[in-house]
Amino acid sequence: TQLLEQSPQFLSIQEGENLTVYCNSSSVFSSLQWYRQEPGEGPVLLVTVVTGGEVKKLKRLTFQFGDARKDSSLHITAAQPGDTGLYLCAGAGAYQFYFGTGTSLTVIP
Amino acid sequence: KAGVTQTPRYLIKTRGQQVTLSCSPISGHRSVSWYQQTPGQGLQFLFEYFSETQRNKGNFPGRFSGRQFSNSRSEMNVSTLELGDSALYLCASSLGGTHGAEKLFFGSGTQLSVL
Repeated sequence: TQLLEQSPQFLSIQEGENLTVYCNSSSVFSSLQWYRQEPGEGPVLLVTVVTGGEVKKLKRLTFQFGDARKDSSLHITAAQPGDTGLYLCAGAGAYQFYFGTGTSLTVIP
Repeated sequence: KAGVTQTPRYLIKTRGQQVTLSCSPISGHRSVSWYQQTPGQGLQFLFEYFSETQRNKGNFPGRFSGRQFSNSRSEMNVSTLELGDSALYLCASSLGGTHGAEKLFFGSGTQLSVL
């Protein structure tokens, strides 16, 4: 079992604050993805990182893939209420993805 | 284009019954994956189908089964329902390549409650 641990599990911050979510594993992945899921909906893909050390930016979101391709981080700058949701990392396996334990983010206006 | 459609949206069953869930993937996508999501266990992989063939299966009992039709639509079946089967069942479609950069598109899920 390729377990992906995310931290923190829960995060509640004020609008405008910065935050970082971590995704760690003892396994190496060929790629890692980040999803956001809102209540009552399925996860929506935010980004895919493939190369060790890769950094991708999506507006106020910055994603980094660790050099050893075992871990990743998601940094949000100046969080907004619309960022509220469950953030999931997922590592690519053989015809499946291994999902992390999830980070529930609440941004308070 | 239309997204992934899962039906029904909600389902209430009693222990011992069986249930069939349906998933229509995005047009042109040939791979369909199924995941079970619970608060305690997160998203757990059930199985993946590509061109009517199961390519991978997760660690679930044989009560969980699935199939894919020639039009890529997929169904999953759970027999002899148990209370612990209560969960959100998510279907994801993708093009079906073997590369690790495959993009999954999820449906809104079927919320199954077993009483």
